[in-house]
Amino acid sequence: KAGVTQTPRYLIKTRGQQVTLSCSPISGHRSVSWYQQTPGQGLQFLFEYFSETQRNKGNFPGRFSGRQFSNSRSEMNVSTLELGDSALYLCASSPGTVRNTEAFFGQGTRLTVV
Amino acid sequence: AQRVTQPEKLLSVFKGAPVELKCNYSYSGSPELFWYVQYSRQRLQLLLRHISRESIKGFTADLNKGETSFHLKKPFAQEEDSAMYYCALKPGGGADGLTFGKGTHLIIQP
Repeated sequence: KAGVTQTPRYLIKTRGQQVTLSCSPISGHRSVSWYQQTPGQGLQFLFEYFSETQRNKGNFPGRFSGRQFSNSRSEMNVSTLELGDSALYLCASSPGTVRNTEAFFGQGTRLTVV
Repeated sequence: AQRVTQPEKLLSVFKGAPVELKCNYSYSGSPELFWYVQYSRQRLQLLLRHISRESIKGFTADLNKGETSFHLKKPFAQEEDSAMYYCALKPGGGADGLTFGKGTHLIIQP
């Protein structure tokens, strides 16, 4: 079965621009979570979507937003980009039930803000 | 808020030697604990979770609620174990994201 797919793999943007990242979860998975990975802060939880609703949110500014579609695919948007937003953005999908919370990760999108 | 601490950024051991990667956590409730591994140029993947109590690739981890620890152990290290290892916590109930430690880079020397 196909794994979690993230597009694009690499992005270069200028400060002040906005960016949209895409994540296609494993078929049948209803939960999609997003994480930011940087050398200084490590892996940090951004937000989780389940059945098109944001279920949880990490401690990030409102410039970071997301959404989930009816087919469980998810997008993450960052507006007014800052240099500090340069990071690897990881998406993870899971069935999303209490009994099954195993997260499967994508390969990530490497965002560079210049 | 919950926190996961992995005190070692880098751990180097010889092939055949025992390995222990430390993980301590702080959380007031009953969390789920995980170990994730990332091999070179591969995606992050689940190694094991405390509720399954199984051994994967020779690794085991026991949840010690008294010491709030979830150390990862393997009696005899192999060269293919070289990777980044992340300890992660998910609050009980499943309705929250994973909180990760900063990771330990394990190097197995021949």
